[in-house]
Parts: sequence; structure tokens; C-alpha cells
Amino acid sequence: GAVVSQHPSRVICKSGTSVKIECRSLDFQATTMFWYRQFPKQSLMLMATSNEGSKATYEQGVEKDKFLINHASLTLSTLTVTSAHPEDSSFYICSARRAGTDTQYFGPGTRLTVL
Amino acid sequence: QKEVEQDPGPLSVPEGAIVSLNCTYSNSAFQYFMWYRQYSRKGPELLMYTYSSGNKEDGRFTAQVDKSSKYISLFIRDSQPSDSATYLCAMSSSLSNFGNEKLTFGTGTRLTIIP
Repeated sequence: GAVVSQHPSRVICKSGTSVKIECRSLDFQATTMFWYRQFPKQSLMLMATSNEGSKATYEQGVEKDKFLINHASLTLSTLTVTSAHPEDSSFYICSARRAGTDTQYFGPGTRLTVL
Repeated sequence: QKEVEQDPGPLSVPEGAIVSLNCTYSNSAFQYFMWYRQYSRKGPELLMYTYSSGNKEDGRFTAQVDKSSKYISLFIRDSQPSDSATYLCAMSSSLSNFGNEKLTFGTGTRLTIIP
């Protein structure tokens, strides 16, 4: 199989704090990982694409200084939401593309609530 | 106009019925088409993956792509209550080992199978 995990699954934080979300490919190497956010009853919106060992590519309108992405290894990417605000509350989902294949495998998501 | 249009539903059908889910798109460059299933508060799970036009069958699921009409479908035969979920279509213009290929998602259709 191709299993992707995310940690934490749910986080509640105060406004102004930073939150780090981890995305791990458990049984395969992922040269590319993607970060999405999903608002209730809406589709997935791509935030950024990260390749192992290089800087992430952010989608238009996504602040790279606010959403810090680090793809330090072939099995781990992290998303840090800096100085979180209530409007950052959302469901954040990562996906990983297995090296040498075309398909993306999604993590279970992290629900962020900023008070 | 959105690149990918998908009826958000909700769609309710009785158990055992055939379900038809559809997406239309405007970007003629799309060549790779996917269907994902997303249960509530979970990440999407890849169901079907097709390239270019044609049909693909996997158990109770059949995916159809009509590039001339820019129309894709997912059929579910002998629907079960466990099929109740949100179904997202996704598509891409290119997939490679090196590119930062992006998936464009539909908004998702909420499906409920009534026992």
C-alpha cells in the first residue's frame, strides 16, 4: 500500500501562535509532497508543492512567509502556520507522490482551529 | 468559469441502485483523470485513475472519460451504504517524475446510499 500519515490530527491554538503539521509517507519515498486546505463543503485548494531538498512552490495568493514548508527528507514534509489567526482555521491535507509513479496519496488531514 | 465543474449534490439513492457522478472541464490540456472518495473528516482516497479517453472498470466502479465533450463520469453499481461519502473528480495536464504536476479538483458530490 501507500500510506501517508499526518500529525496532529486535530489542533486547537490561540491566535498569534505557530502550529506545525507533519506529513509522512510511511512505506514509500515521496519526491513531491503537496499541501492543500479544505473549507467545509468545499473542494481541496492547493497551497503549495514541495520537492525534497528544495524550496516549496506556492500557489498564487498563498503567503509563503505565513505558511512555511520544509521537505527535509523523502518521507517527511512539514507545514508551519505562523502567527495563526481565526481565518486560518481549516482542514489541512497533505499528499505525497510516490517516486516513479503518477498518483498522489493523501494523508488523513489535520483540523486546525484558531481561537 | 471554474476549470472543473461538479454538481455538489447532495445525491441520495437507494441501496443497490446505480450511481452516476459527473464532472465537466474546460481545459483541453487535461489528460489524466482521477476520482477520489472522501469520508467525513478524512483525507481523499484514490478510487480510479484513467488516462485520456475511454473506460476503466474496477469491481463495482467504472470510470469514463470523453475528451471530445470534456466530460468524465464515475458509475457505481450495486451501491452500498458504505459508499456514502463525498466523491471528488481531479485532473491534470501532465504527470512526470520530475514536474510539479498539479491536480485540479472538482468541488465534490456528497452521496448518500439509503439502506
